[in-house]
Amino acid sequence: AQTVTQSQPEMSVQEAETVTLSCTYDTSESNYYLFWYKQPPSRQMILVIRQEAYKQQNATENRFSVNFQKAAKSFSLKISDSQLGDTAMYFCAFMNILAGNTPLVFGKGTRLSVIA
Amino acid sequence: DTGVSQDPRHKITKRGQNVTFRCDPISEHNRLYWYRQTLGQGPEFLTYFQNEAQLEKSRLLSDRFSAERPKGSFSTLEIQRTEQGDSAMYLCASSLPGTGKPEEAFFGQGTRLTVV
Repeated sequence: AQTVTQSQPEMSVQEAETVTLSCTYDTSESNYYLFWYKQPPSRQMILVIRQEAYKQQNATENRFSVNFQKAAKSFSLKISDSQLGDTAMYFCAFMNILAGNTPLVFGKGTRLSVIA
Repeated sequence: DTGVSQDPRHKITKRGQNVTFRCDPISEHNRLYWYRQTLGQGPEFLTYFQNEAQLEKSRLLSDRFSAERPKGSFSTLEIQRTEQGDSAMYLCASSLPGTGKPEEAFFGQGTRLTVV
């Protein structure tokens, strides 16, 4: 079974600074997807960024980028120019795509606070 | 389309009572997922549907839990004889696989269940 580990329960960052959230995962599969989801306080979870495991190029979405290290099974999220609206829980998630996409496996999350 | 909606948003029930939650997915999405999220944890997979077919159930889904998606549109999750350990946020998500990108799950705001 796949597992996802987020080793930082809480983090804080000054507005406009850069922060990196860590995620490691364990799988024996070679083909899968990885995601970062954001869950703001009292609001629904939304997708931040996604990565196909077979792509070597790291995904980027505006201020959000990932550092995907397949051999190390590491998938960190970098948030540049942090904004107050980035305050949220961030979840790393894994999806096995063998025989059809499987349900997401989530880590326990990192609570990020952006400080003015 | 206003996204995934869940009803009710909050439910307080006495131990031993039955409860039913409803999820309305995004209309063209053929996949529908149920997750459970307890405080300080990431969402845990419960079950999912492809159209009206229930494709997978987690070991977390005891015999007291049942889910349906009768016409491949909305879904219900029923918990019979509720226990205090059932207190959690129940999240619904929908998706449309096969778009050529890693499958994005769209989440509802959840139903928070409190068993007293």
